[in-house]
Amino acid sequence: RKEVEQDPGPFNVPEGATVAFNCTYSNSASQSFFWYRQDCRKEPKLLMSVYSSGNEDGRFTAQLNRASQYISLLIRDSKLSDSATYLCVVNNNYDMRFGAGTRLTVKP
Amino acid sequence: GAVVSQHPSWVICKSGTSVKIECRSLDFQATTMFWYRQFPKQSLMLMATSNEGSKATYEQGVEKDKFLINHASLTLSTLTVTSAHPEDSSFYICSAVSSGGTDTQYFGPGTRLTVL
Repeated sequence: RKEVEQDPGPFNVPEGATVAFNCTYSNSASQSFFWYRQDCRKEPKLLMSVYSSGNEDGRFTAQLNRASQYISLLIRDSKLSDSATYLCVVNNNYDMRFGAGTRLTVKP
Repeated sequence: GAVVSQHPSWVICKSGTSVKIECRSLDFQATTMFWYRQFPKQSLMLMATSNEGSKATYEQGVEKDKFLINHASLTLSTLTVTSAHPEDSSFYICSAVSSGGTDTQYFGPGTRLTVL
């Protein structure tokens, strides 16, 4: 079993749609969680951290369920510029493990 | 925000040559830097953890004699791919953690290596 698993997609959605990505992790000792965005041939960039209480940043909402070892990312009102690969990242004392990423394409 | 640079951004070399990639934290000190490799359509895979002034810790399956890592200062780590072969062609990305900060890793822009 992979340490971090994501649905690779691709997710093809129209502008304005709401889309949700899920991620599961296997290491119950993991301490912190992140969503990164990676554009084609570029480095990953931090989108948001994920907290147990859930957190929201504009159109993006992230949630963590430690009991189920599950992380989610919700994107509302999708924009064309949201097209990218979204990486779920699980961290245990600087040991970061990346999911394979979920590819999102937002179409006009 | 914190800035990490990598040089070169891309390199093409012949099989058998060695390639050095530099990773620098420009506006903060990084006691720990990480080297990742990413093959097309795959996620980042951690190769090694580099701590300033000590030997790097390599992930299982990564040859330490092939991928030489030097973390000589708090702002510079280098990865040398020795005797590169076509299968080493990949996107190499470094990241750094600020000495006095959270566990957020700041990524360099990556180096695309193509070995002919």
